[in-house]
Amino acid sequence: QTVVTQEASFSVSPGGTVTVTCGLNSGSVSTNNYPSWYQQTPGQAPRTLIYNTDTRSSGVPDRFSGSIVGNKAALTITGAQADDECDYYCVLYMGSGIRVFGGGTKLTVL
Amino acid sequence: EVQLLESGGGLVQPGGSLRLSCATSGFTFNNYAMAWVRQAPGKGLEWVAGISGGGVTTFYADSAKGRFTISRDTSKNTVFVQINSLRAEDTAVYYCARFMAAGGNDYFHDWGRGTLVTVSS
Repeated sequence: QTVVTQEASFSVSPGGTVTVTCGLNSGSVSTNNYPSWYQQTPGQAPRTLIYNTDTRSSGVPDRFSGSIVGNKAALTITGAQADDECDYYCVLYMGSGIRVFGGGTKLTVL
Repeated sequence: EVQLLESGGGLVQPGGSLRLSCATSGFTFNNYAMAWVRQAPGKGLEWVAGISGGGVTTFYADSAKGRFTISRDTSKNTVFVQINSLRAEDTAVYYCARFMAAGGNDYFHDWGRGTLVTVSS
């Protein structure tokens, strides 16, 4: 069974930089998995941040960026702000029409 | 402006059935795949099902196969998901999403606000 892995939680200082990763329990993540990233504040619908590995969705500040680092997809937040404190999810395309979410990363800004 | 409005959630007894609807506006409905994503209380997001723009092709997560049926009505610009034999673990907020699956894209572009399904006796 495919499991998409993310760090459960991360902490970053205001103004700091943090990288959240998205991996596979078996194998490497590549651009062929079309990694995408979503931000979610508790009680709210998700918001699309990044798609196709590194393309920012409309209106997303350029301090959010996506990449492949090693064998994982990565979401980097540069110059973290207080309102970046929320949950972040990645999604990978696994072929045959199947998409799988990572377990989510809870980001704390303090 | 793209709008996705889910409805049909509520309290259902175990073993019961439910059909969720997602009324859409602001885009050419036939041109886009659609998807359902759910989130159990305090848990992460889970892709459940997807349907192509023409409605010919459907996809399901393993957890949804056999009990979930996704469909769409072009005349109403609405996508549905029928859930049968409901279990306590189906308790979740169900989100509808417009999905970009063409031109080298593969991601959830727009999201509804969700509808809560509670399975309990």
